[in-house]
Amino acid sequence: LAKTTQPISMDSYEGQEVNITCSHNNIATNDYITWYQQFPSQGPRFIIQGYKTKVTNEVASLFIPADRKSSTLSLPRVSLSDTAVYYCLVGRMDSSYKLIFGSGTRLLVRP
Amino acid sequence: DSGVTQTPKHLITATGQRVTLRCSPRSGDLSVYWYQQSLDQGLQFLIQYYNGEERAKGNILERFSAQQFPDLHSELNLSSLELGDSALYFCASSDGLARDTQYFGPGTRLTVL
Repeated sequence: LAKTTQPISMDSYEGQEVNITCSHNNIATNDYITWYQQFPSQGPRFIIQGYKTKVTNEVASLFIPADRKSSTLSLPRVSLSDTAVYYCLVGRMDSSYKLIFGSGTRLLVRP
Repeated sequence: DSGVTQTPKHLITATGQRVTLRCSPRSGDLSVYWYQQSLDQGLQFLIQYYNGEERAKGNILERFSAQQFPDLHSELNLSSLELGDSALYFCASSDGLARDTQYFGPGTRLTVL
C-alpha cells in the first residue's frame, strides 16, 4: 500500500474553500485514492474516491494530476461543522482491502 | 447514520477480564472490518471477515479474536485485558466488491481500569 503524506493541521474560516493535499509518490497502477472524514469519537465517514482527473460529489471535489503522485481534496465554503480530521488513503479496492489510516489532517474552521 | 450498529456504546472493565463487542453490518453487506483507535496509535486495522470467513488480518493481538456469524453480524472478543487495550473499537462494513467503500459504526469505547 502506498504511503501517504498530508499536513498535520490546517486552519480556515467559515465560507472559505479549503484544499488539503496528499502526497502518494509510490501509488500503484491499480490504486484508488479515497478520503475519509472523522469527527471526535465517531467512526470515519467516506467523502470521495477517485482514480484520475477530477471527481465531484455533493460534498467535495477531488483533483488528481496526470502522474497521480498527489491528490487534493477541495471543500467548498466550509462551515464550523466541517471541523474534523481528514484522512487520505491509497490502495487497491478489492474484497480483502484493509484501510490503512495515516495521521490525517486536522482541519479547524473558525467563525 | 451509516446503517452499521455496534453494542455496547461504552464498556468499563478491569484488567484481566474478557469482553465481547458486537457489530451488525449494513443490510446486504458481506464484509465486516474491525479497527482499533487509541490516542497514541491512531486508527489500526485489526481483522476482516467476508461472508463468514476470515479474509484479512492486521495488527490483531493473539488475545483478541473475532468471528462472523451466518446472519453476518460479527463479534470481537478481547481477553486478558490490559490497560493499553483502552480504546475506541470501530466496526465497518462493505458489500465486499471491488472499489467498495467502508461504512463505519459509531464505535464502542472500552475503558480498562
